[in-house]
Amino acid sequence: NAGVTQTPKFRILKIGQSMTLQCTQDMNHNYMYWYRQDPGMGLKLIYYSVGAGITDKGEVPNGYNVSRSTTEDFPLRLELAAPSQTSVYFCASSDEQPQHFGDGTRLSIL
Amino acid sequence: AQKITQTQPGMFVQEKEAVTLDCTYDTSDQSYGLFWYKQPSSGEMIFLIYQGSYDEQNATEGRYSLNFQKARKSANLVISASQLGDSAMYFCAMRENKAAGNKLTFGGGTRVLVKP
Repeated sequence: NAGVTQTPKFRILKIGQSMTLQCTQDMNHNYMYWYRQDPGMGLKLIYYSVGAGITDKGEVPNGYNVSRSTTEDFPLRLELAAPSQTSVYFCASSDEQPQHFGDGTRLSIL
Repeated sequence: AQKITQTQPGMFVQEKEAVTLDCTYDTSDQSYGLFWYKQPSSGEMIFLIYQGSYDEQNATEGRYSLNFQKARKSANLVISASQLGDSAMYFCAMRENKAAGNKLTFGGGTRVLVKP
């Protein structure tokens, strides 16, 4: 039972670098989400998707991009990494409820 | 305006005792859902319990129960017979407007430490 798989688990980036956080789910869920969690805080929604080919902004989308070419995959792209993007990133998927979360990617921008 | 408020940043509870974690919410929707998640120190998000706005009975899942008071817009989590493994962060979350993608809004969390 893989569920929601995120890669990598940890990453250190330099300011200005770019990278893609990968997220794959094997539950055939239509809805997928990207959240970020800053230290000591709750999760904030970055982007979400209601199905392949459809994405929309969440609460904190600036500095990020997403795509949803398949039901299974929902990658998150950081184009110009900034220190403010240091955070733990969670991907989640659902149909009805609840949302199922991946284990997170811990990202540091130095 | 903050939609989910958890006013207890941290609390201690004695092993085997019950603990109540507070959660208040704000919404103008008639149909919404309330969730509680647990985040242990290892970092993963674990779903605990769900309450729909139209559910007449309070939700229960094993040692977890949700004290849902709709008029007061509160959805407190009760953990009975606390165990050492219950030490974690607990997040309350709300799903509004199901047609807009089942998005969740999270509260700031409550850290629980169970003392032996």
